[in-house]
Amino acid sequence: SAVISQKPSRDICQRGTSLTIQCQVDSQVTMMFWYRQQPGQSLTLIATANQGSEATYESGFVIDKFPISRPNLTFSTLTVSNMSPEDSSIYLCSVGTGGELFFGEGSRLTVL
Amino acid sequence: KNEVEQSPQNLTAQEGEFITINCSYSVGISALHWLQQHPGGGIVSLFMLSSGKKKHGRLIATINIQEKHSSLHITASHPRDSAVYICAVGRDSNYQLIWGAGTKLIIKP
Repeated sequence: SAVISQKPSRDICQRGTSLTIQCQVDSQVTMMFWYRQQPGQSLTLIATANQGSEATYESGFVIDKFPISRPNLTFSTLTVSNMSPEDSSIYLCSVGTGGELFFGEGSRLTVL
Repeated sequence: KNEVEQSPQNLTAQEGEFITINCSYSVGISALHWLQQHPGGGIVSLFMLSSGKKKHGRLIATINIQEKHSSLHITASHPRDSAVYICAVGRDSNYQLIWGAGTKLIIKP
């Protein structure tokens, strides 16, 4: 199993600023996944973070807007850059191991 | 058309009823996941399937690879089963997922 600590749990941000979300896993994992969940919708994969290489972004998401770091096998950060109200969402990190998925508790961002 | 389609979108049932939630997908997959998201937002992994059937307590998940279809069943449903149930498929890896829109289940006492 895996336990993921994600922070911040929520934040209110001003338009044009950037915010970095952190995820710490209690075990070493090869891939970490970053998701966005917009209000009333299901999850959308933003990118896959691999240790030692650049993150792989899904269609519609770019590194300039969502830079990701993965300095080691237990930690990753996602930055939401130059935020606008459309970025108001829950952001979650996730890992998969042993046939199960594990999720952080999410970071609820509100952009004013 | 979405690559992962769930039905129904919403389901309200009485306690004790047998519940079925369906998931159809249009891409080749390595695995299919069923997950549960509670009103507070926490997401819990229920099953990962690549073939056949799995059972855990009152939950049963089946998958038909040829028909690209999976079902999640809940027997003897209980109000605490009220949640959003989400089907997600792994295309290139078991954990890099395409998500369905979810089924919101309400079980009334």
